[in-house]
Amino acid sequence: QSALTQPASVSESPGQSIAISCTGSSSDIGGYDYVSWYQQHPGKAPKLIIYDVTNRPSGVSNRFSGTKSGNTASLTISGLQAEDEADYYCSSYTSGSSPWVFGGGTKLTVL
Amino acid sequence: EVQLVESGGGLVQPGGSLRLSCAASGFDFSTSWLNWVRQAPGKGLEWVANINEEGSEKYYVDSVKGRFTISRDSAKNSLYLQMNSVRAEDTAVYYCAKGGLGSGFSFAYWGQGNLVTVSS
Repeated sequence: QSALTQPASVSESPGQSIAISCTGSSSDIGGYDYVSWYQQHPGKAPKLIIYDVTNRPSGVSNRFSGTKSGNTASLTISGLQAEDEADYYCSSYTSGSSPWVFGGGTKLTVL
Repeated sequence: EVQLVESGGGLVQPGGSLRLSCAASGFDFSTSWLNWVRQAPGKGLEWVANINEEGSEKYYVDSVKGRFTISRDSAKNSLYLQMNSVRAEDTAVYYCAKGGLGSGFSFAYWGQGNLVTVSS
């Protein structure tokens, strides 16, 4: 069981927007502004798309945005494109036994 | 350009040992914390271990404590993970990863991954 909870799968049509939630606790998401999001295509390494809750690395599309409220973080993808179809993982720094925890991942299908 | 290239994976029997390597380039190796993150087949990501710039601080996920050892060699710009007493549940793709953006509490750079299979 992952420390952070994400929906296993989501789906939406091209051009639409979708939000993926990531729920933790006051020991991780709620306690630090160190939430990050990763995109992973099959057989590839994860790619950082959001860091420190809301920031995008250089080169990442502005269609990706991140927010946080209390113990829940969210990744929103607007103007969905076929290339966005991938697995998405959230992560947070934590005061637990390991410094980082990940969510179980969300498979995004662009219909 | 930051590059992280893992090597050393493969098939190992339960109870056996294996050493993973990660060759780094494109950044100041001596000033960077480095991490190992793994992903079991069809599963999610799991942080495994990290090491500070000097190699004097090392942290591990509970499931590998006492079995895995992380180390680094600044002369070779390389990161290592010595895996001893491996178990079937250690089967995974192992990535080396580093921060570098904002607070540093994210994994901005990843290697291509290296598969370790524990099986008899």
